[in-house]
This record gives sequence, structure tokens and C-alpha cells, in this order.
Amino acid sequence: DTGVSQDPRHKITKRGQNVTFRCDPISEHNRLYWYRQTLGQGPEFLTYFQNEAQLEKSRLLSDRFSAERPKGSFSTLEIQRTEQGDSAMYLCASSPQGWDDTQYFGPGTRLTVL
Amino acid sequence: KQEVTQIPAALSVPEGENLVLNCSFTDSAIYNLQWFRQDPGKGLTSLLLIQSSQREQTSGRLNASLDKSSGRSTLYIAASQPGDSATYLCAVKRGSGNTGKLIFGQGTTLQVKP
Repeated sequence: DTGVSQDPRHKITKRGQNVTFRCDPISEHNRLYWYRQTLGQGPEFLTYFQNEAQLEKSRLLSDRFSAERPKGSFSTLEIQRTEQGDSAMYLCASSPQGWDDTQYFGPGTRLTVL
Repeated sequence: KQEVTQIPAALSVPEGENLVLNCSFTDSAIYNLQWFRQDPGKGLTSLLLIQSSQREQTSGRLNASLDKSSGRSTLYIAASQPGDSATYLCAVKRGSGNTGKLIFGQGTTLQVKP
């Protein structure tokens, strides 16, 4: 499978714990994106990388959130001191650089904070 | 501030019917517009991308149109099938394109009845 992959697919944690999600983009794509989606809503942009550089961050990405993309390959999204409001689907996408920058999404990580 | 609206929120049609899904956006200065499909609990599947200089794109039974001046896009589905049942999301990328951010509508949930 050469699509975008995410791990884990589901995560249940207790409030106050730290969680980390991983995203592996399509191998030839140098752009990588993170979004968050709550039930009944469209995805909301969190952050964007071009290679290893984090070029854009949403105001939704509070101090408790950090994203990295070492070596411009896979990316991790960490949430520290989770809150119940962090419960959502976290989606990763990747795209090539260029005129057709269609974003291809992974299956998502469903986070439930108890 | 760019806002994307999709009406109706839900639609139910009998199998075989042709249908149109609507997407409107408040700022006509977009770089491109993308239509996605999302099955329950899953990630997003890209259907079509229309560049700001294009008027329409076609893929199989799907045809997407773009009218920047009026801030509208439509997704036409011909000869609908039960397998088309899903939530359809549109998203715009603003301005010059030097952003990773897609701004999504809330989606239209389509049910095609056999």
C-alpha cells in the first residue's frame, strides 16, 4: 500500500496523559499536513510541513501540541496533558509540490480522552 | 476570513438519480478547490481538484464546476448508486497558494437508496 498511513488508528487515554501519533506520507510527497476533525464537522487545519520545515501553524495548535518531521519523512504529532476537548479524529495528509498539489489523506487516528 | 458552506447538510435520493451537491465560499481569491468523499469513521478520499483558472473537472460519473466570481462550486453525480452513500466535503485553498491550509465546509451526507 503506497498511501498515507497513520498509527495508531485508535487511542484511548486518560485526561492529563501525553499521546503521540505518527504519520507516514506517500514517499515522493514533500508536503505534509495535520488536521483535526470533530463529529459532524469538516477537518480543521493544524500545521503544515515542507520537507522538514514547519511552515505554518494554526492558532488551534496550542502550547500543548507539538509536531515534528525529522529528515522530511514521517511526522509525529504530540499532545501533552490531554484534555477531554482534545477528543477528535486526527488526520494526516501529504501532497507533492507543484501546480497539482492534491492532498491525499490517511485513515486518521481516533483519540478519546476519558 | 474565508468561510465555506455546504447546503444541504443531508440528502437522500433513490438509486439512479442524477444529483448536485453545492459548495459556496465567501472569498473569491482562491488558489484551488478540492472535493473529497468520507465514509463513516474513515479518512478522506480525494475526488477532484479544480484550479482557480479552470471551470470544471470530470472523473467518471463525477463532474465538478467552479464559478469563482459567484463563490460557488457544484459536484454533479450521474446515475447515483448505493455505493455513493458517504459524506462529501469541499475545501478551498486561498490566495497565491503559498499556504498548506485547506478550509473545509461541513459536508453533505448523501444516502442513495436501492
